[in-house]
Amino acid sequence: DIQMTQSPSTLSASVGDRVTITCRASQSVLTWLAWYQQKPGKPPRLLIYQVSNLESGVPSRFSGNGSGTEFTLTISGLQPDDFATYYCQQYKSLFYTFGQGTKLEIK
Amino acid sequence: EVQLVQSEAEVKKPGESLRISCKASGYNFRFYYITWVRQMPGKGLEWVGRIDPSASYTNYSPSLQGHITISADKSIDTAYLQWSSLRASDSAIYYCTRHPLPEVRVNNRAFDYWGPGTLVTVSS
Repeated sequence: DIQMTQSPSTLSASVGDRVTITCRASQSVLTWLAWYQQKPGKPPRLLIYQVSNLESGVPSRFSGNGSGTEFTLTISGLQPDDFATYYCQQYKSLFYTFGQGTKLEIK
Repeated sequence: EVQLVQSEAEVKKPGESLRISCKASGYNFRFYYITWVRQMPGKGLEWVGRIDPSASYTNYSPSLQGHITISADKSIDTAYLQWSSLRASDSAIYYCTRHPLPEVRVNNRAFDYWGPGTLVTVSS
């Protein structure tokens, strides 16, 4: 199985900040990497697919980068609505593993 | 509009059986896998298994193989996740989601639509 490791597990930031979340894969997933946002009591929401492609309706302050085994999600100019938990996911190999999540909290 | 509508929350006892459902609409059910993802209380997302509705081929997480069954009824565009003997450790929210079969030519191959989740509570 491909293991996905996110860092940090928790991130404290303020409205307007620029933040970056990192996701590392235990082996190459090429560009089959997605990012999801989840708020309490809600299902995950797809933000980015294939490393850097914004899903329809996702604000342009979200961006993704990377390839192979190391990836980043950057949010430029945090908005109050962005405080949530973020998950990366590889969909190269079956079992489509998720990272353990990064909780973005208000400082 | 694509929608995945899931069955309501369930409270069961250990050893009981259960089947939860996910009804799809707004797209061709045969062209997308239905995948089940679980989230145990306060924890992250875990891939449970998937079904190709067109052929009913299934894949399961190795940790759950033999304990769960995923099925689909193409005539009513509905997928199911079932247990014959629940355990307390099955308590979780179960989400259904979709992603395209290999032969479907779309740019986005990630999990783009999700159901609202079904809370399963197993307690004596």
